[in-house]
Amino acid sequence: EAQVTQNPRYLITVTGKKLTVTCSQNMNHEYMSWYRQDPGLGLRQIYYSMNVEVTDKGDVPEGYKVSRKEKRNFPLILESPSPNQTSLYFCASSLAFGYQPQHFGDGTRLSIL
Amino acid sequence: GQQLNQSPQSMFIQEGEDVSMNCTSSSIFNTWLWYKQDPGEGPVLLIALYKAGELTSNGRLTAQFGITRKDSFLNISASIPSDVGIYFCAGQASGTYKYIFGTGTRLKVLA
Repeated sequence: EAQVTQNPRYLITVTGKKLTVTCSQNMNHEYMSWYRQDPGLGLRQIYYSMNVEVTDKGDVPEGYKVSRKEKRNFPLILESPSPNQTSLYFCASSLAFGYQPQHFGDGTRLSIL
Repeated sequence: GQQLNQSPQSMFIQEGEDVSMNCTSSSIFNTWLWYKQDPGEGPVLLIALYKAGELTSNGRLTAQFGITRKDSFLNISASIPSDVGIYFCAGQASGTYKYIFGTGTRLKVLA
């Protein structure tokens, strides 16, 4: 089954403790992306990747890092999480940029205390 | 960062009524997309629009890419209870590889 898998689905942690949210897709997609969703703000793109080893900033990259060492995986790294990064995070992938649809994962709810 | 102006923010309608929502942008978009999000899930693409003036239907849903390339609307006809959810517009601004999302329209359908 074609899917985008995020882990963990839920995480409560404390300020400053490094964490990684994993994202994996099984569709051989080139374009992958991370979004955060906050009430009243919709989804905002954090980082995107056009292909392996090619990543770039979205609209809200501050406080986040990503890597794309393999085509299927696109982890989101919070080196020193802060409470303002408490949010619902989505990973998405598509065949290439501009191709639809983007397939979204089921989301990761992060709470930073 | 840039966001799209999406309206209305929320709607309560009776089953069987038609629904209309729209998005506007200050910049030109090459692609307009409409998504639906159900609780606890990621957004799912409903309709994709690629050309100014394009009008596309998907069952009871119809969306149009505005002539100015700065707006789009989504209509839902004869709403049913399973239409409940959050609807997002999104687009790809010209000259970028990023997607910009609207703030969402929360739809509730009263049976």
